[in-house]
Amino acid sequence: SAVISQKPSRDICQRGTSLTIQCQVDSQVTMMFWYRQQPGQSLTLIATANQGSEATYESGFVIDKFPISRPNLTFSTLTVSNMSPEDSSIYLCSVGGTGVSDTQYFGPGTRLTVL
Amino acid sequence: GENVEQHPSTLSVQEGDSAVIKCTYSDSASNYFPWYKQELGKRPQLIIDIRSNVGEKKDQRIAVTLNKTAKHFSLHITETQPEDSAVYFCASFTSGTYKYIFGTGTRLKVLA
Repeated sequence: SAVISQKPSRDICQRGTSLTIQCQVDSQVTMMFWYRQQPGQSLTLIATANQGSEATYESGFVIDKFPISRPNLTFSTLTVSNMSPEDSSIYLCSVGGTGVSDTQYFGPGTRLTVL
Repeated sequence: GENVEQHPSTLSVQEGDSAVIKCTYSDSASNYFPWYKQELGKRPQLIIDIRSNVGEKKDQRIAVTLNKTAKHFSLHITETQPEDSAVYFCASFTSGTYKYIFGTGTRLKVLA
């Protein structure tokens, strides 16, 4: 399975600011995914990040709020913009779930608290 | 839209007893069904999976069964131990659309 790292592991931010979360994979992957997991809840897909093209967002998530970059096949960033307390959550990146490997593997997550 | 229902939401068992968690999916084209275990503060970890051409799979104390006709799949944990306490998520995957759908999770507590 792929080794996935995320930075930062946690952060406490002020309302109205932005935070960029980085996700690094130890192998080249076509698709990377960003999820949000609110306390005690399941995993909600935010968007799919493909290298060389615009990210594909799920219903309820927009690019202005969650811009994503995918500069190469091993790295992606998710920015949470103009944060409010409702954005407090765990954000996870994942890889897999494509034609090469059906299994998704998750990064360790970023625990975000917005005051 | 497509969804995965998971039951129960919480489950408490005595150490040594068995635990069963059930999921029902809606997309008949789904062909891969993983189970994840998430301990507090940790990432979801794959513990077992099953493909649509198989009815049952076992790995030591855990097993998964799949009934494609009924669109049901279940996780069975035997001889439960306190370290099995965690939240378990089922998921369905459709390889044609690369669509992953997660269940709502089951919080399992194994009482010593």
